[in-house]
Amino acid sequence: SQQGEEDPQALSIQEGENATMNCSYKTSINNLQWYRQNSGRGLVHLILIRSNEREKHSGRLRVTLDTSKKSSSLLITASRAADTASYFCATDGGAQKLVFGQGTRLTINP
Amino acid sequence: GAGVSQSPSNKVTEKGKDVELRCDPISGHTALYWYRQSLGQGLEFLIYFQGNSAPDKSGLPSDRFSAERTGGSVSTLTIQRTQQEDSAVYLCASSFQYSNQPQHFGDGTRLSIL
Repeated sequence: SQQGEEDPQALSIQEGENATMNCSYKTSINNLQWYRQNSGRGLVHLILIRSNEREKHSGRLRVTLDTSKKSSSLLITASRAADTASYFCATDGGAQKLVFGQGTRLTINP
Repeated sequence: GAGVSQSPSNKVTEKGKDVELRCDPISGHTALYWYRQSLGQGLEFLIYFQGNSAPDKSGLPSDRFSAERTGGSVSTLTIQRTQQEDSAVYLCASSFQYSNQPQHFGDGTRLSIL
């Protein structure tokens, strides 16, 4: 079964708007990672947040982690057409095994 | 510096045939992972290598699936007697040894079983 579940499954917004995606998970974690996947390509690592961190920034990306609620959010500010992709959260399911959610398909309309 | 390389990029084969998928990880990465992704879905973990050994084979769907890694580098995923449900994109990733490291993915092999 999937550890992480993203919400919403699909999101369509206008260029320049902010996009927020959420991830919930079930068991305790050491870290949570977010990845992006463009159509027909592999996944690209965006950001890693450790269980003792609450917020992390990288450029236009902001990730929050609430371990008490077992949830994380990814915010993309000032979205661009190039941000159109699927976004996945992944949690460490023990040892070095990452468990991925089903992903959020983000579409940025020009 | 090259990223993770997978070959072939596409493979179409008939049901019942065997297929071999190849992954060349990033040089220096000791951990290597195989995942399967069905259309529009998330990633399903198959197997993980640390060096040449596979501590976790729990995700292999059946005994028709096997994988090996030689020289701590290249890995092959073999599917014997392919079935239509094996159709998917098979993704390979590599990382440094420690678990809190990001994984670097190849672009995958799109496998279609006719």
